[in-house]
Amino acid sequence: QKEVEQDPGPLSVPEGAIVSLNCTYSNSAFQYFMWYRQYSRKGPELLMYTYSSGNKEDGRFTAQVDKSSKYISLFIRDSQPSDSATYLCAMRTNAGKSTFGDGTTLTVKP
Amino acid sequence: SAVISQKPSRDICQRGTSLTIQCQVDSQVTMMFWYRQQPGQSLTLIATANQGSEATYESGFVIDKFPISRPNLTFSTLTVSNMSPEDSSIYLCSVEVRGPQQETQYFGPGTRLLVL
Repeated sequence: QKEVEQDPGPLSVPEGAIVSLNCTYSNSAFQYFMWYRQYSRKGPELLMYTYSSGNKEDGRFTAQVDKSSKYISLFIRDSQPSDSATYLCAMRTNAGKSTFGDGTTLTVKP
Repeated sequence: SAVISQKPSRDICQRGTSLTIQCQVDSQVTMMFWYRQQPGQSLTLIATANQGSEATYESGFVIDKFPISRPNLTFSTLTVSNMSPEDSSIYLCSVEVRGPQQETQYFGPGTRLLVL
């Protein structure tokens, strides 16, 4: 079993929709939770960074961490065609290296 | 922040040959990482390269196959040796930058390798 499982997708939504991207994990020592966005033929770029449980909002993006359920989510409001990309969740312990999910490919159709 | 460039951006190689990938960062960083990303799969860490010490390899990766150099705080190379078609993948260089509130990992654009 993988330490990090990400909803595989692909996901296709109309412009303006609310998008929910999700990951589960098994390692209770994970403390830091990240979401990366990767456009085609580019490297991943950090989108959201959260420490421990709770919500974090940045513009149209909200990251949610529920450590009791070992579940994290990224919500995108008012999705735009420019949001079309692969989204990777990642998490790590206090002293460890990041473990990445397999990614969910999102297409937002105009 | 950190801006990372990689060379080459892509290459097509014959089996049995070797390819060296270069990674250049615009600022001095302590920790550099090399990842492999295969289509539809997660990023797999190959090794961590710290300046002045031997690279630390993850399970399943060995120095003879993936030798790494880290001559200074802004540069590293990864060599993929004696290549086979199974080595076809995207290879990504990454650095970690520690800020006052968080540690941020930055990635290069990747090197797309196809082995025939």
